[in-house]
Amino acid sequence: AQTVTQSQPEMSVQEAETVTLSCTYDTSESDYYLFWYKQPPSRQMILVIRQEAYKQQNATENRFSVNFQKAAKSFSLKISDSQLGDAAMYFCAYRQPIERGGSEKLVFGKGTKLTVNP
Amino acid sequence: GAVVSQHPSRVICKSGTSVKIECRSLDFQATTMFWYRQFPKQSLMLMATSNEGSKATYEQGVEKDKFLINHASLTLSTLTVTSAHPEDSSFYICSARDPLTEAFFGQGTRLTVV
Repeated sequence: AQTVTQSQPEMSVQEAETVTLSCTYDTSESDYYLFWYKQPPSRQMILVIRQEAYKQQNATENRFSVNFQKAAKSFSLKISDSQLGDAAMYFCAYRQPIERGGSEKLVFGKGTKLTVNP
Repeated sequence: GAVVSQHPSRVICKSGTSVKIECRSLDFQATTMFWYRQFPKQSLMLMATSNEGSKATYEQGVEKDKFLINHASLTLSTLTVTSAHPEDSSFYICSARDPLTEAFFGQGTRLTVV
């Protein structure tokens, strides 16, 4: 079974600085999707970024980028120019490719609580 | 992006009663929806997969007679917590996948059983 591990229960960063959140996963599949979700105090889950395993290029979305290392099964999230609104729980997640009959289920890590200090 | 609406956002009920939570996909059709439970300061735990027109698939350890799921249409799934007890108090979240993009989540429902 696939597993997702986030080894940092909590992280903090100064406003305007850069922070990297770690995520590793375990799978025997060669094709899959990885995600970072943000859960602010409102508890609404928000998709931050998505990476397709067959793409070597790291996904970016404005101030958010990932470092995807397929061989190492590592998928870290970098937040640049951190803002107060970035404070939230961040969850790393894995999904099989549905197009090949995989499950639509998301497998989540335990989350990292990010604090942004003014 | 796609919108998933969950209702109610908060509900308090008496022990022994049943509570229904609705999850709607507002601008896309979802043949599959998911129900999660989240305990304080923990990750999301998948309870069941809701399939339109067929029975839900429950994760191991989840009581299907307690957590009734109905997916009557392509835009609506409901979770009914039957004979609720204080230990059922939790945060429940639904999600639905837009076939063109990815999964979107409802706002969540905080259930308190007194």
